[in-house]
Amino acid sequence: GQNIDQPTEMTATEGAIVQINCTYQTSGFNGLFWYQQHAGEAPTFLSYNVLDGLEEKGRFSSFLSRSKGYSYLLLKELQMKDSASYLCAVMDSNYQLIWGAGTKLIIKP
Amino acid sequence: GAVVSQHPSWVICKSGTSVKIECRSLDFQATTMFWYRQFPKQSLMLMATSNEGSKATYEQGVEKDKFLINHASLTLSTLTVTSAHPEDSSFYICSARTSGDRFSYEQYFGPGTRLTVT
Repeated sequence: GQNIDQPTEMTATEGAIVQINCTYQTSGFNGLFWYQQHAGEAPTFLSYNVLDGLEEKGRFSSFLSRSKGYSYLLLKELQMKDSASYLCAVMDSNYQLIWGAGTKLIIKP
Repeated sequence: GAVVSQHPSWVICKSGTSVKIECRSLDFQATTMFWYRQFPKQSLMLMATSNEGSKATYEQGVEKDKFLINHASLTLSTLTVTSAHPEDSSFYICSARTSGDRFSYEQYFGPGTRLTVT
């Protein structure tokens, strides 16, 4: 079966750094996405990784290791507005997105 | 670019009635559109995938006669919830993607429609 695992909830402090992990087992791999979703809103695109390594985009970075079936999203200089759910999704061999359950990130002052 | 709109943003309907939700890609042609449902504190659940001009492919457990999907053009897909019941109350989100290069596999999400069935 196909499976995406990520922690249910994480708490971090404003100004700090947090790493959200995602492990996956899918039938085929055509890339991994990270989305941010604020409560009551639709997801918004953060990053896409298809090759191993780190992709940096401002305060957010995403890392992929295909051999380990592992990715992480790194958020630096946390701000209160970063409080949201972070969804990991893998595109399988049929180019369908398999979604993780999401990690709720709580930022404390 | 890559804006997807949904209408209505929220709707309240009585049990037994039908509700239509529209999903439009405003500045690109969406060869594929996806319909998701999300219950509170849960992740997105893919309901169906539709390609323009062809019948939608429904995920296991989703009743195609209850959730009617029409992808009549490259910019419009509609989801009709027929004979709605309170358990259909949820957040319905559509997304769209084009075909072509690597970056077109990104799905662009609409803002979602919150359906409440009383």
